[in-house]
This record gives sequence, C-alpha cells and structure tokens, in this order.
Amino acid sequence: QQKVQQSPESLSVPEGGMASLNCTSSDRNFQYFWWYRQHSGEGPKALMSIFSDGDKKEGRFTAHLNKASLHVSLHIRDSQPSDSALYFCAASDPLNYAQGLTFGLGTRVSVFP
Amino acid sequence: EAAVTQSPRNKVAVTGGKVTLSCNQTNNHNNMYWYRQDTGHGLRLIHYSYGAGSTEKGDIPDGYKASRPSQENFSLILELATPSQTSVYFCASGGRRNSGNTLYFGEGSRLIVV
Repeated sequence: QQKVQQSPESLSVPEGGMASLNCTSSDRNFQYFWWYRQHSGEGPKALMSIFSDGDKKEGRFTAHLNKASLHVSLHIRDSQPSDSALYFCAASDPLNYAQGLTFGLGTRVSVFP
Repeated sequence: EAAVTQSPRNKVAVTGGKVTLSCNQTNNHNNMYWYRQDTGHGLRLIHYSYGAGSTEKGDIPDGYKASRPSQENFSLILELATPSQTSVYFCASGGRRNSGNTLYFGEGSRLIVV
C-alpha cells in the first residue's frame, strides 16, 4: 500500500491561474513533509518543506499542513508555463530522518496559455 | 556547480551483465541514497548510506548492491542485470538535521537492459 498518496494524478491550469495539489500519509510516524518538482529529463528538486501545522509561503507557492489528518497541500498562485512539471509529495519520520524520504506517485501539472 | 553528479547518464546493458552506476556529491552530506523512478511507481528507495563504509537496504534492494568507499562517492551495482531493472536511477545526498534531511538529487542515469 502506498504510504504517501497524492491527488489528482494530473491537473491542467490556465496561465495566471491557481493550481492546488493534495497529499495524505497513511503512516502516523510521517511528520515531516516536502514538495518536490521535476521537469522532464531532470532530477527532482525540493520546492519547500513543512514540518509544523499551518501555512508556509515561499513566493508563489504556499504549503498547508494538518498533522492531525496527515494532510498536506500545495497551492501555486499565478501559474507560469515553467510550472509545468511533475510534483511529488515526500514524507519522513523525524526520528528516522536519515533513512530517506518516502515519495508519492506524483501529480503532473500542465499550464496552458 | 552541480552538487550531485551521476555517471553514466545513459547506459544500455545486456541481460546477465554487470552494471555500475556512480554518484559523487560535493555537499559534504553524511547520507546518500539511490532511488529508481518508474511510471506508476514514483520514486522508490533501493539502498542508502550513513557515511563511508556503510550501506543499508531500502525498500526494494533485491538484485542490487551498493558501495560507499568515501564521503563523496556512492555506487549502485547490478551484478546480473535483468530487463526488469530498466529504469531511471537517481542518486541523492542529505544530512542536515535542521533541514529535516532535505534530499538533493542528481540528474539521473537512464538504464536500458536488453
């Protein structure tokens, strides 16, 4: 069973619009979360991390974490064509952080003009 | 100034042959990782290492070995390559506890086993 689940699988957003991505963990030990972005032919790059309940904003990107429900979301404001990519949610157990991250299957975002 | 570099970037191997994928990091991170990426499976952890001389099994270690001869280098070894190991392989480094162990990935090694 996938311990980190993402929705939707794919998303089309108009340029300048808002994209909303969701992620839920089924493992209560997972308390740290990341969003990664991967452009075609490249390696994944960390967008932002969130470890505490509430919102975290970095530029056009806002993440929200609800630890009680183990749900994290990512909102991309004013979407640009360069935001077209595969977005991964990743999680880890802070007590075993060195054992790596567990990734979801990804959400493919397409920004159209 | 890529901090995690992988080689080769592309490789075609024959079934039953030996394949070595190499990774070098200049982040001075203690921890290094090998993942594979397949459509429908996302990124899955194969092996990881806490430092020079250490290798640990990840979630899908069968058919793979790893070697960490130094802080900077981490290799993934396929002793007897099979077509099911056709994939894109990513190396990553991490290790700053105050960042929760954010991982930094290389550009990937595409392996085709025929």
